[in-house]
Amino acid sequence: EVQLVQSGAEVKKPGESLKISCKGSGYSFTSYWIGWVRQMPGKGLEWMGIIYPGDSDTRYSPSFQGQVTISADKSISTAYLQWSSLKASDTAMYYCARIERDAFDIWGQGTMVTVSS
Amino acid sequence: QAGLTQPPSVSKGLRQTATLTCTGNSNNVGNQGAAWLQQHQGHPPKLLSYRNNNRPSGISERFSASRSGNTASLTITGLQPEDEADYYCSAWDSSLSAYVFGTGTKVTVL
Repeated sequence: EVQLVQSGAEVKKPGESLKISCKGSGYSFTSYWIGWVRQMPGKGLEWMGIIYPGDSDTRYSPSFQGQVTISADKSISTAYLQWSSLKASDTAMYYCARIERDAFDIWGQGTMVTVSS
Repeated sequence: QAGLTQPPSVSKGLRQTATLTCTGNSNNVGNQGAAWLQQHQGHPPKLLSYRNNNRPSGISERFSASRSGNTASLTITGLQPEDEADYYCSAWDSSLSAYVFGTGTKVTVL
């Protein structure tokens, strides 16, 4: 079964750092782009960026460039999304998704990140 | 960055047909087409249609996608209670070199 499994929910304070993960299985992890998508409470989907685990080629949405870092470790079929200094406005659900034919075809279950003092 | 425009809500009766629209421009929907996603409350999105209007395995034939110019459409026939969800379109924008999502449409089955 093709699936993406994300790390669990996080509760952090403003200014803290965080790295969440997305592990792929059931397919060739290095052959598909992986995207990260933010969904703030009660809001729509926002594209953050993508990475090609085969060579770690990474592209960012201008809205998120410099705010987050996307990386991957192909040896363990895992992609990451990290923040160096969280803000309250980073509170959201974060999804990873595989990209096939320019569509987000397989989604992780989501990681809820709550940033509160 | 610019997104794709969808009507906020659509309400139709049980077993009726709903048509959802997604309007972009010549750099995204008009050039590459749009994919469609369904999201039930509290769940991750699920792909209903690739941008060439093909359905992934396991997706009901009641969902069909099409495109005319810069507007993509998703038609849901024989509406069922389980079709109540939020629906999003997505596309690659060649001018922005970015993926863009639609604003989302909430479908209510009366």
